[in-house]
Amino acid sequence: GQNIDQPTEMTATEGAIVQINCTYQTSGFNGLFWYQQHAGEAPTFLSYNVLDGLEEKGRFSSFLSRSKGYSYLLLKELQMKDSASYLCAVRGAAGNKLTFGGGTRVLVKP
Amino acid sequence: DARVTQTPRDKVTEMGQEVTMRCQPILGHNTVFWYRQTMMQGLELLAYFRNRAPLDDSGMPKDRFSAEMPDATLATLKIQPSEPRDSAVYFCASGQYDNEQFFGPGTRLTVL
Repeated sequence: GQNIDQPTEMTATEGAIVQINCTYQTSGFNGLFWYQQHAGEAPTFLSYNVLDGLEEKGRFSSFLSRSKGYSYLLLKELQMKDSASYLCAVRGAAGNKLTFGGGTRVLVKP
Repeated sequence: DARVTQTPRDKVTEMGQEVTMRCQPILGHNTVFWYRQTMMQGLELLAYFRNRAPLDDSGMPKDRFSAEMPDATLATLKIQPSEPRDSAVYFCASGQYDNEQFFGPGTRLTVL
């Protein structure tokens, strides 16, 4: 089975940096995804890691260590619109099935 | 601007009634997923299809839920009979092979 852990909530100040950690234990691994979900809206794709290392996309970066079962999402130069839930999801060995963590609610304060 | 569409967006029904939710995946996507999201359980996979064939429906209560893809442009999720514990937001998502999944806006279901 799959077990994915991420913090429930984080608070940060506008302009700052926040790092959201995700740890996982899975029976197989074929990639890790991060999604952003604003309240009342659908999740939207942010990033994908399948190899170890850092992937950078503008203000957002995602890191993966497969040996440690660990990923983080880094949000830089925080803006008020970044207040949302961030979902870590792991794809197992077979198919395109994703298992999602419970999500981390990030609150950006002025 | 291709996107996944879902109908209805909101549904309020009484316990025991049948509920049908519909999804139109992005044209050309070969994989379609049904998820349910609640505060308590988060986002859970109910079922998914590849090239219209069901691949996994282990997350779905089989006695009352059914999922089908009558054609490549339509996926349906049916609950019969509905129960208050089925109240949730149901998302459909589509993707192409192992690429990222694109989510529809969801159907907010309330069963009284």
